[in-house]
Amino acid sequence: GDSVTQMEGPVTLSEEAFLTINCTYTATGYPSLFWYVQYPGEGLQLLLKATKADDKGSNKGFEATYRKETTSFHLEKGSVQVSDSAVYFCALSRPNFGNEKLTFGTGTRLTIIP
Amino acid sequence: DADVTQTPRNRITKTGKRIMLECSQTKGHDRMYWYRQDPGLGLRLIYYSFDVKDINKGEISDGYSVSRQAQAKFSLSLESAIPNQTALYFCATRGPGNTIYFGEGSWLTVV
Repeated sequence: GDSVTQMEGPVTLSEEAFLTINCTYTATGYPSLFWYVQYPGEGLQLLLKATKADDKGSNKGFEATYRKETTSFHLEKGSVQVSDSAVYFCALSRPNFGNEKLTFGTGTRLTIIP
Repeated sequence: DADVTQTPRNRITKTGKRIMLECSQTKGHDRMYWYRQDPGLGLRLIYYSFDVKDINKGEISDGYSVSRQAQAKFSLSLESAIPNQTALYFCATRGPGNTIYFGEGSWLTVV
C-alpha cells in the first residue's frame, strides 16, 4: 500500500539556518505530493504541493521538488525564522484512487531558536 | 472566522459514553472528511463523504459513525468511547486542485 516516510524529529535549528526535511514515498502510479504545516494549537495548512514529476512547489520561502526517480519530495528553506517553528507533514494522494485518501507521514517537529 | 469549524475543541469523556464531534464549513465544498491524529502515526482517515447521500468508510472506521446533515455539516460519533480513541480529531474539506482544508482539531480524551 501507499506510504510516506519522513525524517524523524524533533529538529532544532538556529534562526537563518538552512532547513531540509526529508520525505520519501511508496505508491503506484503518479501520486500528487503535499507538504502540510501545523502551527501550535492549529489545524493543518497546505504549505505547498506538486502534481507531477519534476514539478517544484513553493510557498513562504519553502520549496520541494517532485523527484520520481528517487521517490522523494524533500522540503527545503534557505533561511528559517522563529515563526517557522511547527510540525511539518509530508503527504500523498493517488489520482486513480479518486484522491480520496491522503496518506500522511508521521510529522517532523521543527523548532527554531533565536 | 475559520472556514472549517469544529466543536468542541476539547472534551474529556468516560469510557462507554457516547460523544459527538461536530464540523461545519463555509467553503461550499461537497467532500468532507474526518481524520484522527496520533503521536508517531500521522493522520488516518476515519470516514469521508462526497455529499449528503454518499458516505464512505476510511481506513479506521471501526468504533465510529458519521452523519452528513447538510452540505455544510458533517458530524463524527463515538457510540461507546474507549480509551484508545483518545486522539486529536480533524475535520476537513476538499477544494479545487484537490487541496484539503482542515479544521483546528478537537482534542478528545477518554478516561
